[in-house]
Amino acid sequence: AQRVTQPEKLLSVFKGAPVELKCNYSYSGSPELFWYVQYSRQRLQLLLRHISRESIKGFTADLNKGETSFHLKKPFAQEEDSAMYYCALRTSGTYKYIFGTGTRLKVLA
Amino acid sequence: ETGVTQSPTHLIKTRGQQVTLRCSSQSGHNTVSWYQQALGQGPQFIFQYYREEENGRGNFPPRFSGLQFPNYSSELNVNALELDDSALYLCASTPDFQETQYFGPGTRLLVL
Repeated sequence: AQRVTQPEKLLSVFKGAPVELKCNYSYSGSPELFWYVQYSRQRLQLLLRHISRESIKGFTADLNKGETSFHLKKPFAQEEDSAMYYCALRTSGTYKYIFGTGTRLKVLA
Repeated sequence: ETGVTQSPTHLIKTRGQQVTLRCSSQSGHNTVSWYQQALGQGPQFIFQYYREEENGRGNFPPRFSGLQFPNYSSELNVNALELDDSALYLCASTPDFQETQYFGPGTRLLVL
């Protein structure tokens, strides 16, 4: 079955500390993975996607097919990073996205 | 702002009723997807439309149906509402040849 697991509902870190938001997936095909973010009182928006291998707002994520993971990382957290983060899997050849349950990141001053 | 709008913002219905939710996306966004987001959960894919044809569906019963119109607007219809249908309903549109989904603000439905 296709599934995305985000094991942490809440992650609190201090400003300047490293951040790692975990995401594991289950999918038999070739996955396309994304991270979406929702800031307070804003709509859900794309943060980054594995295929472009980019760094957005200092965040990076590497697809590890062996561990079926796509963890989101940032070396130094900022207060403005506080938000809800969702990992999503897109099944190949479609626009069907499977979202995880989300992790709320709180960056403390 | 991406220009994706949804109406109404909030809605209260009773069990057994029918509801229509609306989404308006930007010109050139020929793909629209609808999601249900229950409290504390991630969005769940309901279905997707491309150029007025349904081209993908999640694990939702047939009482969830949709329409897409040539003017880049779309509807989600839910018949025979159940209490568990209470959720935030999101639409997301995607421009042709792009990866990025642009989400609307959602419609919060409460079924009593």
